[in-house]
Amino acid sequence: QLQLQESGPGLVKPSETLSLTCTVSGGSISSSSYFWGWIRQPPGKGLEWITSIYYSGSTYYNPSLKSRVTISVDTPKNQFSLKLNSVTAADTAVYYCAGSTTSFWFDPWGQGTLVTVSS
Amino acid sequence: DIQMTQSPSSLSASVEDRVTITCRASQSISSHLNWYQQKPGKAPKLLIYAASSLQSGVPSRFSGSGSGTDFTLTISSLQPEDSATYYCQQSHSTPLTFGGGTKVEI
Repeated sequence: QLQLQESGPGLVKPSETLSLTCTVSGGSISSSSYFWGWIRQPPGKGLEWITSIYYSGSTYYNPSLKSRVTISVDTPKNQFSLKLNSVTAADTAVYYCAGSTTSFWFDPWGQGTLVTVSS
Repeated sequence: DIQMTQSPSSLSASVEDRVTITCRASQSISSHLNWYQQKPGKAPKLLIYAASSLQSGVPSRFSGSGSGTDFTLTISSLQPEDSATYYCQQSHSTPLTFGGGTKVEI
């Protein structure tokens, strides 16, 4: 059974870069059945899709964040990563990694990791 | 961007009640609509995909319907464990977007 786990710093200073990694277990990140993505949820608020990537490297970005976001895949490590630069307090959120079908419904999800932007 | 609007934003119902949540898209999304359940402190869980397909392992009291711009999630007989926030998500086009959520209290 496919499982995802986020990792990375829980505290990032304003103007710096948020970096998170999602480790995939129970299956291959090179599976043609999945896109791999990031979704975030500010405290007490709703869900916002950030970006998705296919193992081949094809990427999709939310235009609202595209200028600050990079997603990448590390096939040997069975991981994919998110980088969000020039962060502000508005980027404080729980960040989830998730697998999606090529039809872009999300399952499974990681447990989520809270990232706080503060000096 | 396609805007997703859920109603109501919250509701209170009793055990065994039939509950209906509505999601409206700002433009036609065919059947590219998915529903999630999120409990406090947990990741969302996929309930329904492609408007009406029940995800494996999800109780049959959950059902989805609709196409075009108007969609519905129905819980046929509300159970205590269904207390959660429910989100719709369109997968018709990027950016993928979610509704604002409906909090269901028992």
